[in-house]
Amino acid sequence: NAGVTQTPKFRILKIGQSMTLQCAQDMNHNYMYWYRQDPGMGLKLIYYSVGAGITDKGEVPNGYNVSRSTTEDFPLRLELAAPSQTSVYFCASSYAPTGVSKNIQYFGAGTRLSVL
Amino acid sequence: AQKITQTQPGMFVQEKEAVTLDCTYDTSDPSYGLFWYKQPSSGEMIFLIYQGSYDQQNATEGRYSLNFQKARKSANLVISASQLGDSAMYFCAMREGPTDSSYKLIFGSGTRLLVRP
Repeated sequence: NAGVTQTPKFRILKIGQSMTLQCAQDMNHNYMYWYRQDPGMGLKLIYYSVGAGITDKGEVPNGYNVSRSTTEDFPLRLELAAPSQTSVYFCASSYAPTGVSKNIQYFGAGTRLSVL
Repeated sequence: AQKITQTQPGMFVQEKEAVTLDCTYDTSDPSYGLFWYKQPSSGEMIFLIYQGSYDQQNATEGRYSLNFQKARKSANLVISASQLGDSAMYFCAMREGPTDSSYKLIFGSGTRLLVRP
Protein backbone atom coordinates (compact mmCIF):
# COMPACT_ATOMS: atom_id res chain seq x y z
CA ASN A 1 0.00 0.00 0.00
CA ALA A 2 2.37 2.74 -1.19
CA GLY A 3 -0.30 5.46 -1.65
CA VAL A 4 1.38 8.83 -2.21
CA THR A 5 5.19 8.76 -2.19
CA GLN A 6 7.31 11.88 -1.86
CA THR A 7 11.04 12.18 -2.30
CA PRO A 8 13.27 13.41 -0.82
CA LYS A 9 12.17 13.53 2.82
CA PHE A 10 14.63 16.27 3.73
CA ARG A 11 16.68 18.73 1.72
CA ILE A 12 18.83 21.78 2.38
CA LEU A 13 19.28 24.25 -0.46
CA LYS A 14 21.40 27.32 -0.84
CA ILE A 15 19.77 30.54 -1.97
CA GLY A 16 19.45 30.56 -5.74
CA GLN A 17 19.68 26.81 -6.20
CA SER A 18 16.95 24.84 -7.93
CA MET A 19 15.44 21.46 -7.21
CA THR A 20 12.54 19.20 -8.03
CA LEU A 21 10.35 17.59 -5.39
CA GLN A 22 9.04 14.28 -6.61
CA CYS A 23 5.54 12.95 -6.00
CA ALA A 24 4.07 9.68 -7.22
CA GLN A 25 0.78 7.96 -6.45
CA ASP A 26 -0.30 4.42 -7.25
CA MET A 27 -4.02 4.77 -6.54
CA ASN A 28 -4.95 5.78 -10.10
CA HIS A 29 -6.18 9.14 -8.85
CA ASN A 30 -6.90 11.78 -11.45
CA TYR A 31 -6.37 14.75 -9.16
CA MET A 32 -3.08 15.75 -7.56
CA TYR A 33 -2.07 18.69 -5.40
CA TRP A 34 0.93 20.41 -3.89
CA TYR A 35 0.68 22.20 -0.56
CA ARG A 36 3.15 23.95 1.68
CA GLN A 37 2.96 24.09 5.45
CA ASP A 38 4.80 26.86 7.24
CA PRO A 39 5.61 26.48 10.94
CA GLY A 40 2.53 26.61 13.16
CA MET A 41 0.21 27.04 10.19
CA GLY A 42 -2.21 25.05 8.13
CA LEU A 43 -1.55 23.96 4.57
CA LYS A 44 -1.74 26.29 1.58
CA LEU A 45 -2.31 25.10 -1.97
CA ILE A 46 0.51 25.79 -4.43
CA TYR A 47 -0.62 24.02 -7.61
CA TYR A 48 -3.03 21.30 -8.56
CA SER A 49 -3.74 19.07 -11.53
CA VAL A 50 -6.96 17.48 -12.67
CA GLY A 51 -5.28 15.07 -15.06
CA ALA A 52 -2.23 14.45 -17.21
CA GLY A 53 -1.30 17.60 -19.12
CA ILE A 54 -3.57 19.88 -17.07
CA THR A 55 -2.33 22.03 -14.20
CA ASP A 56 -3.54 25.17 -12.48
CA LYS A 57 -2.38 27.63 -9.85
CA GLY A 58 -3.45 27.51 -6.25
CA GLU A 59 -3.18 30.14 -3.55
CA VAL A 60 0.64 30.52 -3.42
CA PRO A 61 2.15 29.55 -6.81
CA ASN A 62 4.93 32.16 -7.10
CA GLY A 63 8.39 30.65 -7.27
CA TYR A 64 7.16 27.20 -8.27
CA ASN A 65 6.38 25.26 -11.41
CA VAL A 66 4.70 21.94 -12.01
CA SER A 67 4.14 19.48 -14.81
CA ARG A 68 1.93 16.41 -15.13
CA SER A 69 3.01 14.15 -17.96
CA THR A 70 1.53 10.97 -16.44
CA THR A 71 -1.36 10.14 -14.13
CA GLU A 72 1.04 8.84 -11.50
CA ASP A 73 3.61 11.65 -11.22
CA PHE A 74 3.33 15.31 -10.28
CA PRO A 75 6.75 16.90 -9.67
CA LEU A 76 7.13 20.37 -8.15
CA ARG A 77 10.02 22.51 -9.38
CA LEU A 78 11.60 25.27 -7.31
CA GLU A 79 13.60 27.74 -9.37
CA LEU A 80 15.99 30.14 -7.64
CA ALA A 81 15.25 29.01 -4.11
CA ALA A 82 14.65 31.73 -1.52
CA PRO A 83 14.54 31.58 2.31
CA SER A 84 10.79 32.26 2.12
CA GLN A 85 10.42 28.83 0.54
CA THR A 86 11.64 27.10 3.69
CA SER A 87 8.66 24.93 4.53
CA VAL A 88 7.25 21.43 4.59
CA TYR A 89 5.81 20.42 1.23
CA PHE A 90 2.98 17.95 0.91
CA CYS A 91 1.72 16.21 -2.17
CA ALA A 92 -1.83 14.84 -2.18
CA SER A 93 -4.12 13.03 -4.56
CA SER A 94 -7.82 12.26 -4.87
CA TYR A 95 -10.29 10.56 -7.12
CA ALA A 96 -12.13 12.75 -9.58
CA PRO A 97 -14.55 14.60 -7.32
CA THR A 98 -18.02 13.11 -7.28
CA GLY A 99 -20.77 13.03 -4.76
CA VAL A 100 -19.63 9.59 -3.73
CA SER A 101 -15.90 10.21 -3.58
CA LYS A 102 -16.30 13.41 -1.52
CA ASN A 103 -12.93 14.46 -2.98
CA ILE A 104 -11.04 13.14 0.03
CA GLN A 105 -7.40 14.01 -0.47
CA TYR A 106 -4.73 11.53 0.57
CA PHE A 107 -1.35 12.93 1.50
CA GLY A 108 2.25 11.88 1.22
CA ALA A 109 4.62 12.02 4.18
CA GLY A 110 6.01 15.43 3.21
CA THR A 111 9.36 16.93 2.21
CA ARG A 112 11.04 19.19 4.72
CA LEU A 113 12.98 21.88 2.83
CA SER A 114 15.33 24.48 4.26
CA VAL A 115 16.76 27.28 2.13
CA LEU A 116 19.84 28.89 3.68
CA ALA B 1 -11.49 37.03 6.99
CA GLN B 2 -10.34 33.54 7.83
CA LYS B 3 -12.38 30.85 6.23
CA ILE B 4 -11.52 28.21 8.81
CA THR B 5 -10.90 29.09 12.44
CA GLN B 6 -9.50 26.78 15.07
CA THR B 7 -9.37 28.76 18.28
CA GLN B 8 -7.57 26.19 20.45
CA PRO B 9 -3.82 26.19 19.72
CA GLY B 10 -3.31 23.41 22.26
CA MET B 11 -5.34 21.10 24.44
CA PHE B 12 -4.78 18.42 27.05
CA VAL B 13 -7.03 15.45 27.72
CA GLN B 14 -6.76 12.56 30.13
CA GLU B 15 -6.44 9.12 28.59
CA LYS B 16 -9.82 7.41 28.12
CA GLU B 17 -11.75 10.67 28.34
CA ALA B 18 -13.56 12.38 25.46
CA VAL B 19 -12.32 15.64 23.93
CA THR B 20 -13.85 18.17 21.55
CA LEU B 21 -11.74 20.15 19.10
CA ASP B 22 -13.42 23.30 17.81
CA CYS B 23 -13.72 24.43 14.20
CA THR B 24 -15.77 27.26 12.77
CA TYR B 25 -15.98 28.12 9.11
CA ASP B 26 -17.13 30.94 6.89
CA THR B 27 -18.68 30.46 3.48
CA SER B 28 -21.61 31.81 1.51
CA ASP B 29 -21.70 28.76 -0.75
CA PRO B 30 -24.58 26.41 0.13
CA SER B 31 -22.56 23.40 -1.00
CA TYR B 32 -19.36 22.61 0.86
CA GLY B 33 -17.51 19.84 2.62
CA LEU B 34 -15.71 19.76 5.92
CA PHE B 35 -12.76 17.51 6.71
CA TRP B 36 -10.63 16.69 9.70
CA TYR B 37 -7.04 15.53 9.34
CA LYS B 38 -4.60 14.27 11.96
CA GLN B 39 -0.90 15.08 11.77
CA PRO B 40 1.20 13.03 14.22
CA SER B 41 4.75 14.00 15.09
CA SER B 42 5.99 11.92 12.17
CA GLY B 43 4.48 14.57 9.91
CA GLU B 44 2.07 12.78 7.60
CA MET B 45 -1.51 14.00 7.14
CA ILE B 46 -4.12 11.36 7.91
CA PHE B 47 -7.75 11.77 6.85
CA LEU B 48 -10.16 11.20 9.74
CA ILE B 49 -13.71 12.22 8.89
CA TYR B 50 -15.86 14.09 6.37
CA GLN B 51 -19.14 16.03 6.63
CA GLY B 52 -21.03 17.33 3.62
CA SER B 53 -23.15 20.46 3.93
CA TYR B 54 -26.27 18.59 2.85
CA ASP B 55 -25.69 15.55 5.04
CA GLN B 56 -28.61 15.10 7.38
CA GLN B 57 -26.72 13.27 10.08
CA ASN B 58 -23.48 13.97 11.86
CA ALA B 59 -20.60 11.94 10.51
CA THR B 60 -19.02 9.21 12.61
CA GLU B 61 -15.92 7.08 12.03
CA GLY B 62 -15.08 4.77 14.90
CA ARG B 63 -14.03 6.91 17.88
CA TYR B 64 -14.32 10.08 15.80
CA SER B 65 -17.54 12.00 15.37
CA LEU B 66 -18.29 15.38 13.94
CA ASN B 67 -20.64 17.73 15.76
CA PHE B 68 -22.01 19.65 12.78
CA GLN B 69 -24.03 22.74 13.63
CA LYS B 70 -24.83 24.34 10.31
CA ALA B 71 -26.56 27.46 11.63
CA ARG B 72 -23.57 28.22 13.84
CA LYS B 73 -21.13 27.26 11.06
CA SER B 74 -19.26 24.94 13.34
CA ALA B 75 -17.87 21.48 12.73
CA ASN B 76 -16.29 20.28 15.96
CA LEU B 77 -14.40 17.00 16.12
CA VAL B 78 -15.19 14.75 19.06
CA ILE B 79 -12.73 12.01 19.99
CA SER B 80 -14.14 9.51 22.42
CA ALA B 81 -12.06 7.35 24.79
CA SER B 82 -8.79 9.16 24.05
CA GLN B 83 -5.67 7.09 23.57
CA LEU B 84 -2.02 8.05 23.88
CA GLY B 85 -1.70 7.63 20.12
CA ASP B 86 -4.22 10.42 19.62
CA SER B 87 -1.57 12.97 20.60
CA ALA B 88 -1.08 14.97 17.39
CA MET B 89 -1.98 18.13 15.51
CA TYR B 90 -5.52 18.18 14.19
CA PHE B 91 -6.55 20.26 11.21
CA CYS B 92 -10.01 21.25 10.11
CA ALA B 93 -10.40 21.93 6.38
CA MET B 94 -13.17 23.04 4.05
CA ARG B 95 -13.93 22.49 0.40
CA GLU B 96 -16.11 25.28 -0.95
CA GLY B 97 -18.51 24.44 -3.73
CA PRO B 98 -20.02 21.20 -5.01
CA THR B 99 -17.97 18.03 -4.82
CA ASP B 100 -17.79 17.64 -8.59
CA SER B 101 -16.41 21.09 -9.37
CA SER B 102 -14.34 22.17 -6.42
CA TYR B 103 -10.87 20.93 -5.68
CA LYS B 104 -9.24 23.21 -3.18
CA LEU B 105 -9.09 22.55 0.53
CA ILE B 106 -8.74 25.50 2.89
CA PHE B 107 -7.07 24.58 6.15
CA GLY B 108 -7.28 26.00 9.64
CA SER B 109 -4.17 26.63 11.72
CA GLY B 110 -4.60 23.45 13.74
CA THR B 111 -4.99 22.30 17.35
CA ARG B 112 -2.27 20.36 19.13
CA LEU B 113 -3.76 17.66 21.33
CA LEU B 114 -1.77 15.99 24.08
CA VAL B 115 -3.20 12.93 25.79
CA ARG B 116 -2.03 12.44 29.36
CA PRO B 117 -1.61 8.89 30.75
